[in-house]
Amino acid sequence: GENVEQHPSTLSVQEGDSAVIKCTYSDSASNYFPWYKQELGKGPQLIIDIRSNVGEKKDQRIAVTLNKTAKHFSLHITETQPEDSAVYFCAASIKGGYQKVTFGTGTKLQVIP
Amino acid sequence: DGGITQSPKYLFRKEGQNVTLSCEQNLNHDAMYWYRQDPGQGLRLIYYSQIVNDFQKGDIAEGYSVSREKKESFPLTVTSAQKNPTAFYLCASSPRDSSYNEQFFGPGTRLTVL
Repeated sequence: GENVEQHPSTLSVQEGDSAVIKCTYSDSASNYFPWYKQELGKGPQLIIDIRSNVGEKKDQRIAVTLNKTAKHFSLHITETQPEDSAVYFCAASIKGGYQKVTFGTGTKLQVIP
Repeated sequence: DGGITQSPKYLFRKEGQNVTLSCEQNLNHDAMYWYRQDPGQGLRLIYYSQIVNDFQKGDIAEGYSVSREKKESFPLTVTSAQKNPTAFYLCASSPRDSSYNEQFFGPGTRLTVL
């Protein structure tokens, strides 16, 4: 089955700096890669996703890149703000019908004011 | 407002007792899921259901049971057979006709066994 590894497990950055979280996956058939943000005591919220037919996607201060050859994808947050502090999860899934979503173990991001 | 609701937010249980966690959605999604989250770990799939009156075991189904009698509802029962039930439980849903498995999560229920 699919295996998703996520690094780092914790990340501290100064406000205004960039943050990068990296994930690798094992199943070359995976073609959908969502990223979730989970604030303390709440459920994860989808913040951005990327599908295997594109290499990069941006949404304001957030971007995701995908390297299908190397089987890794990354989340980039620029100009970080204190409200970006949360746990971020990457995930991988396969298009079509029901396919299990496999989650990474999460990265706790702390933005220091 | 469309969304997924879970109740209660906090739940305390004595050892040996069964307890049921509620999950309701008004998104008209066909598929629903239950995940367990432990500190420092990712989300682990307990059960999922793609359609009413049908459900499948996930990776860690032992000690849990579910039902899917209505499209909107997918309750999870944590039985006394679950050896370590203290955890944060998350319910999610997704549209079955989506080409990609986009899942939307509820706010979670924190279960503590006393």
